Amino acid sequence: EPEVTQTPSHQVTQMGQEVILRCVPISNHLYFYWYRQILGQKVEFLVSFYNNEISEKSEIFDDQFSVERPDGSNFTLKIRSTKLEDSAMYFCARRLEGGTDTQYFGPGTRLTVL
Amino acid sequence: GQQLNQSPQSMFIQEGEDVSMNCTSSSIFNTWLWYKQEPGEGPVLLIALYKAGELTSNGRLTAQFGITRKDSFLNISASIPSDVGIYFCAGQLNSGGSNYKLTFGKGTLLTVNP
Repeated sequence: EPEVTQTPSHQVTQMGQEVILRCVPISNHLYFYWYRQILGQKVEFLVSFYNNEISEKSEIFDDQFSVERPDGSNFTLKIRSTKLEDSAMYFCARRLEGGTDTQYFGPGTRLTVL
Repeated sequence: GQQLNQSPQSMFIQEGEDVSMNCTSSSIFNTWLWYKQEPGEGPVLLIALYKAGELTSNGRLTAQFGITRKDSFLNISASIPSDVGIYFCAGQLNSGGSNYKLTFGKGTLLTVNP
């Protein structure tokens, strides 16, 4: 199956700092998603991104968060001023255009906010 | 938002035993997906179900999309030690837009004793 890679695999940051998490699709997908998983909890939807626009976002995705696809390839999630409770695994997922509804997940970035 | 109830929360079984887990929802989904997650990794798709009543197998795994579109089960036959992990159900309701976001259950932790 087509894959995505995510960088970095682990990010440690101080509270209040900005972080950028990256998702690099192997092939040219149009549908991207970010999900979050706090340690020991379920996976939660953050935002969906289609055709270079946000198509839906959850209540978790507040003004501290933003997404973009700056170079037409990498898909980034930015957290402007991290809080302790932002510590989690962040997963990028993608869906093929014209494909089924199936979403495939990247390996995730573990974000630790100190 | 939509909530998924996944049960059981955890299972501890002997190698060779069969396993069954299920998810129920108060509202309908168009698609049910089952994922497996191992420590420090992203969810890996096991089975995707697209039609009510559909029964699909993937090796020793069998899953069904409930006829009411509000539930799904996953069975694992003849479990082996590498089946260990957290199994998540996920529902998807395509609202006609381009979001296709997933709603996850809380997961079933499976432990297999050799």
